[in-house]
Amino acid sequence: DTAVSQTPKYLVTQMGNDKSIKCEQNLGHDTMYWYKQDSKKFLKIMFSYNNKELIINETVPNRFSPKSPDKAHLNLHINSLELGDSAVYFCASSQEMDNQPQHFGDGTRLSIL
Amino acid sequence: GENVEQHPSTLSVQEGDSAVIKCTYSDSASNYFPWYKQELGKGPQLIIDIRSNVGEKKDQRIAVTLNKTAKHFSLHITETQPEDSAVYFCAASKTDKLIFGTGTRLQVFP
Repeated sequence: DTAVSQTPKYLVTQMGNDKSIKCEQNLGHDTMYWYKQDSKKFLKIMFSYNNKELIINETVPNRFSPKSPDKAHLNLHINSLELGDSAVYFCASSQEMDNQPQHFGDGTRLSIL
Repeated sequence: GENVEQHPSTLSVQEGDSAVIKCTYSDSASNYFPWYKQELGKGPQLIIDIRSNVGEKKDQRIAVTLNKTAKHFSLHITETQPEDSAVYFCAASKTDKLIFGTGTRLQVFP
């Protein structure tokens, strides 16, 4: 009965490869997010979607492409992976867009070799 | 844009003592201030939040205070327990974008 689930939990891959991370929420929320947490634990928003529509795109390289097939899913595809992409990526969801509690998944640790 | 500063970066306390973590924000239009706890290998978990029309909120051993004039807000944990050990993040928001502080690593020693 996990609320926000991400797969995979760990992702180890070579520089230049393309990879995807999947996220699903069973809370019935309208809004979903992707965050990046770097090695110093700094959390920064990357994208948000509301009812499948892109709302926030926070100056993320266009190698990162989120896709929301429906309100319960928000996937993240990354092309041409670089060393600097190594981080923990968190998916989150909230009932509505503005000033609502956000529920986070347990993260996907991406390591680029 | 909004900037959130958080202090201290690390905090060690004896079990049973109180812990206080402080944050300041730059955008006076921010009106929502959540606090998250992140345990090792887990995602951030909301522990308490406060909105700008309230000065203080309490939930058992956890309380948050907000000073809108000074643009400060603080997390207070009383009677700390070893299971309170984690990284704590404050955040501020005025619309749909949460801006996080840099985190405080709290260690509670038995």
